Amino acid sequence: DAKTTQPNSMESNEEEPVHLPCNHSTISGTDYIHWYRQLPSQGPEYVIHGLTSNVNNRMASLAIAEDRKSSTLILHRATLRDAAVYYCILSSQGGSEKLVFGKGTKLTVNP
Amino acid sequence: DTAVSQTPKYLVTQMGNDKSIKCEQNLGHDTMYWYKQDSKKFLKIMFSYNNKELIINETVPNRFSPKSPDKAHLNLHINSLELGDSAVYFCASSRVLVIGDTQYFGPGTRLTVL
Repeated sequence: DAKTTQPNSMESNEEEPVHLPCNHSTISGTDYIHWYRQLPSQGPEYVIHGLTSNVNNRMASLAIAEDRKSSTLILHRATLRDAAVYYCILSSQGGSEKLVFGKGTKLTVNP
Repeated sequence: DTAVSQTPKYLVTQMGNDKSIKCEQNLGHDTMYWYKQDSKKFLKIMFSYNNKELIINETVPNRFSPKSPDKAHLNLHINSLELGDSAVYFCASSRVLVIGDTQYFGPGTRLTVL
């Protein structure tokens, strides 16, 4: 399974943008980049995913480096409800059909 | 309506007992999963089922036996519970068994073995 590296924790202020980095230097050409988050005492929830191009949805944006060795999850205006552990996960087509969760980044949002 | 539901939410039991956790999804998905999140917060897949057929079994002890009576349900039965089984168990589902297909998680069942 391809590995990802994320900072253990990050802090942000409410209403400010947040950039959550993820390094995946061993990514293969067919690996999708997925982001999930886990709010306190809840199950993980899907945030966004992409392959090569930057992606936007109602929750966040995903910026993927040109060489695909890193990506950044962008929360445009953090709210207190965005405080969670954010997981960056790689999946491979043709590989085992499972998501491998790492330690993730614990995001604290200050009021 | 809750998309993926689990019962019970909390389960406290003695070592050696047998217990079951139930999971239901109303999303019409073909694939369901069980994950375990231990005290260090690592989330690991245990099983996946596709159309009631076991696909992934991640070297989980034989004491754990998943059962899928139909596509909408995946129950987890645990025999002879041990202290190390204490964890939060999450059920999840995805539309199809395609690598990376979005997974929808239940709220979790916190199992405490005394």
